[in-house]
Amino acid sequence: EPEVTQTPSHQVTQMGQEVILRCVPISNHLYFYWYRQILGQKVEFLVSFYNNEISEKSEIFDDQFSVERPDGSNFTLKIRSTKLEDSAMYFCASSATYSGGAQETQYFGPGTRLLVL
Amino acid sequence: GEDVEQSLFLSVREGDSSVINCTYTDSSSTYLYWYKQEPGAGLQLLTYIFSNMDMKQDQRLTVLLNKKDKHLSLRIADTQTGDSAIYFCAEKVAGGGNKLTFGTGTQLKVEL
Repeated sequence: EPEVTQTPSHQVTQMGQEVILRCVPISNHLYFYWYRQILGQKVEFLVSFYNNEISEKSEIFDDQFSVERPDGSNFTLKIRSTKLEDSAMYFCASSATYSGGAQETQYFGPGTRLLVL
Repeated sequence: GEDVEQSLFLSVREGDSSVINCTYTDSSSTYLYWYKQEPGAGLQLLTYIFSNMDMKQDQRLTVLLNKKDKHLSLRIADTQTGDSAIYFCAEKVAGGGNKLTFGTGTQLKVEL
């Protein structure tokens, strides 16, 4: 069964450093998402991406964050100048469509646990 | 704005039924989802229900939706130790883009 994959599974970085989190969405999906879950808190939406553009972003997704689809398979989240409060589990998700029944269902990857020291 | 709430913990005996509850505030929800998160793992889609449905059954899982009370529940029949996990409900709101709003998650513990 197709699945979303993410690398690395864990990342430790120093405050102020840049990190890139990578995701490979399900191959025929067109919509991609990033969410994060700070330990003990809710899963929060960060951004959605379609056709090489951000289609929606939350208040959390400020200038520190950027997303990119550098090739036909990868989808990346870059966090510039990381802060302690960026420590969280970051989930990538993808869906086949934006709306239209079951095909809009979002499938999640296993997550990247980011720890900023 | 959207808000989704769940109770934090549920403990059941193996073989019993589990009922995990969720309340949401936005009446324009289109789809409501249940995801399962095992320790150290990602979010696994369990099932979903469209907002014009009252019930959906999928093997051991039954989802009930009470639109009037904005209440969603997930019933797991014959609960097994492998069902121990955190269960998240999530809603997608009409006109709210394609983002999902998640609840706090309910930690289900299945005891022998």
